[in-house]
Amino acid sequence: EAGVAQSPRYKIIEKRQSVAFWCNPISGHATLYWYQQILGQGPKLLIQFQNNGVVDDSQLPKDRFSAERLKGVDSTLKIQPAKLEDSAVYLCASSTEDRGTATQYFGPGTRLTVL
Amino acid sequence: GIQVEQSPPDLILQEGANSTLRCNFSDSVNNLQWFHQNPWGQLINLFYIPSGTKQNGRLSATTVATERYSLLYISSSQTTDSGVYFCAVSTSGNNRLAFGKGNQVVVIP
Repeated sequence: EAGVAQSPRYKIIEKRQSVAFWCNPISGHATLYWYQQILGQGPKLLIQFQNNGVVDDSQLPKDRFSAERLKGVDSTLKIQPAKLEDSAVYLCASSTEDRGTATQYFGPGTRLTVL
Repeated sequence: GIQVEQSPPDLILQEGANSTLRCNFSDSVNNLQWFHQNPWGQLINLFYIPSGTKQNGRLSATTVATERYSLLYISSSQTTDSGVYFCAVSTSGNNRLAFGKGNQVVVIP
């Protein structure tokens, strides 16, 4: 079974530029999550989708971050414009459902550096 | 929100040694997972263990939900065990995970 796929693996941009990340979850997983992991910290949830609907985006900085999962499968996370403090690893995860008993599986992450 | 505390923050082990990592959480949970983040940043699932005890090879985990803590045991450590171990919990019905700050483990040959 293929795992969660993410691209690109690395991205370097200058502040005020835009960037987008892509995630393909494990086949059949209805729930998709985007996390931000700043160096030295644990991941923090940004947004959670159940199929193509948003379940939780309470910690998403909506003035600059946006995410979509139009067909309930792949998802993109966009930052526009980027700030220095957005430098982090962006992790995508998926699970079979959004209930508390569902194990989350993580992709390899995209490491973003904002200069 | 729920607080997750992991101890010790840093641990250096001689290859072959055993160790115990601890995760304390501040509220009742319906999901608890242990992950290993390797040096390349990949988060690897170790255990889904909101309660009880599980074992997988040299690793085992125990969660005592009534006392709000979980333990991860590493036996006969190997250099490939190096990395950061994260405990993550969810109290909400939508499976939102809150992570601790991690246990940085270095195993030296």
